[in-house]
Amino acid sequence: DAKTTQPPSMDCAEGRAANLPCNHSTISGNEYVYWYRQIHSQGPQYIIHGLKNNETNEMASLIITEDRKSSTLILPHATLRDTAVYYCIVRVASGYNTDKLIFGTGTRLQVFP
Amino acid sequence: SQTIHQWPATLVQPVGSPLSLECTVEGTSNPNLYWYRQAAGRGLQLLFYSVGIGQISSEVPQNLSASRPQDRQFILSSKKLLLSDSGFYLCAWSPGFPGNTIYFGEGSWLTVV
Repeated sequence: DAKTTQPPSMDCAEGRAANLPCNHSTISGNEYVYWYRQIHSQGPQYIIHGLKNNETNEMASLIITEDRKSSTLILPHATLRDTAVYYCIVRVASGYNTDKLIFGTGTRLQVFP
Repeated sequence: SQTIHQWPATLVQPVGSPLSLECTVEGTSNPNLYWYRQAAGRGLQLLFYSVGIGQISSEVPQNLSASRPQDRQFILSSKKLLLSDSGFYLCAWSPGFPGNTIYFGEGSWLTVV
């Protein structure tokens, strides 16, 4: 079962920041939060991940709450090419034989002109 | 640099026929390997994952099986395909240490007729 909850869809105007929320209230202390996106049924594209601290790279920023029960992916200046399904995932790695990504249903982000 | 190859990219198979999808990772050793499936209009479902050669974990009981005959090779098989096996199959890999990125291949489209 997915360990994350996301809104099914969101809209964003081109050039504006897109803020995609994710709830992961049952996350454990050693579990990472990952974000991927999928465009037109291509292979999912990695965006960013984090454990406790906020993270930023050339694509996005990840803001994780202090209690780690939720996070927000921020695309600072959305473009039409950012239209995709965005997945927030908790990486389960509880032992030597357990290391997996469980995808939820994701958020379909529509960027409009 | 590391790369992941998955083939065939597209195939159409009759019901009851066998299946073999192959995935190979280059440029790394002892990766974690994953098989996912995405039915039309649905999210990604984890089918199998492996954290080492000869070790396979199954997430969903079905008529599919996976094998890891070599360190960087992951094979998805079926002896008799069902119509419900149609979908988009994705192989993925990671360096295996929690916190490292998981990378996806380009996927294989399977249509069972």
